[in-house]
Amino acid sequence: ELKVEQNPLFLSMQEGKNYTIYCNYSTTSDRLYWYRQDPGKSLESLFVLLSNGAVKQEGRLMASLDTKARLSTLHITAAVHDLSATYFCAVDAVGSSGTYKYIFGTGTRLKVLA
Amino acid sequence: SQTIHQWPATLVQPVGSPLSLECTVEGTSNPNLYWYRQAAGRGLQLLFYSVGIGQISSEVPQNLSASRPQDRQFILSSKKLLLSDSGFYLCAWSVGADTQYFGPGTRLTVL
Repeated sequence: ELKVEQNPLFLSMQEGKNYTIYCNYSTTSDRLYWYRQDPGKSLESLFVLLSNGAVKQEGRLMASLDTKARLSTLHITAAVHDLSATYFCAVDAVGSSGTYKYIFGTGTRLKVLA
Repeated sequence: SQTIHQWPATLVQPVGSPLSLECTVEGTSNPNLYWYRQAAGRGLQLLFYSVGIGQISSEVPQNLSASRPQDRQFILSSKKLLLSDSGFYLCAWSVGADTQYFGPGTRLTVL
């Protein structure tokens, strides 16, 4: 069974600090997605990582993918309060009908303290 | 540009009542469509996905069902709601295996 695990599950950090969220998965998927969810809201796509060694950056967030280690990281640089949210990673899997579906990680709830 | 709509936004229903949630997508043709449920403070559980009209795949056995009567319309239904059906229901679309884009969601409370 495909599993996607994130750690930490909860992260409280001070503004201005750096931290990394980890996403481990148990299959040979070559594509990984990161999403952000604000409280009570839907999911917003952040990054799509399509190959081994892929790195994407947007503002204070940088995501990378190591398909050999089956690991993706989401690095936060100099955190600000606006980054407080829950972050999910997801990987592709093939469903029973042969089409692609996502398997989501458990989510990391990030709180940035002023 | 593509947009995805869900309604209603919020719903409070008694146990044993029926359910119908609707999702529509604009600006794309033949999308893959997905229904997810998110329990309070939890991750996302894929319920159903569809690659075309009338084609529904179910991921989890439950008292919910889905239908796709038109290319860009996806409906989630139940004949009798259970307390455990409470949650945040999200519809999503994608073109093939590309990024999934999520709708605004429906918050369902079953009392």
